[in-house]
Amino acid sequence: KAGVTQTPRYLIKTRGQQVTLSCSPISGHRSVSWYQQTPGQGLQFLFEYFSETQRNKGNFPGRFSGRQFSNSRSEMNVSTLELGDSALYLCASSLTSGGGIPFSSTDTQYFGPGTRLTVL
Amino acid sequence: AQSVTQLGSHVSVSEGALVLLRCNYSSSVPPYLFWYVQYPNQGLQLLLKYTSAATLVKGINGFEAEFKKSETSFHLTKPSAQMSDAAEYFCAVTTTDTGRRALTFGSGTRLQVQP
Repeated sequence: KAGVTQTPRYLIKTRGQQVTLSCSPISGHRSVSWYQQTPGQGLQFLFEYFSETQRNKGNFPGRFSGRQFSNSRSEMNVSTLELGDSALYLCASSLTSGGGIPFSSTDTQYFGPGTRLTVL
Repeated sequence: AQSVTQLGSHVSVSEGALVLLRCNYSSSVPPYLFWYVQYPNQGLQLLLKYTSAATLVKGINGFEAEFKKSETSFHLTKPSAQMSDAAEYFCAVTTTDTGRRALTFGSGTRLQVQP
């Protein structure tokens, strides 16, 4: 079974631009989460999507947004890029979701290789 | 709210020596705990997870971890280090509180293995 794929793997943008990152989950996985990894702040949760609905959101400004499509693929968008947005953006997929459904012991998050975003 | 503290941002061991990476958690409700490994320029790979079954959890590549509620710890060990174990290791916690899956990560420990 193919793993989580993220495109593009590397991206260079300038301040003020916007960017869209894409994530394709493992086949059959319906939940997609996004994380930001930086040397200073470490790994931080951005948001989670299930059935095209945002189920959970981390503490990030509104410039960070996402969506999920009916085939479970997800995109995240960052508008008005700042230098501090330079990071590795990781996507993770899992079989089920929260939102009241009991957390299953099989409910592991599988991570993709990430998209390295550099803002100049 | 939950949090994770990983003691030691860098750990260096000799090949064949014991690997011990420390993780302490804070959670007001029963936690689920995970160890992930990250190799350079790659994403995170799950090593093992604790989900309230056995307190001693065995994972891939010979790693194991023991959940100790009294010490709020979930340290990662491997009896004999291999050169291929050199990577960054992250402890993470989530809870059953809301059924949501946001992982809270520790700051990571970079493991160096000396020949």
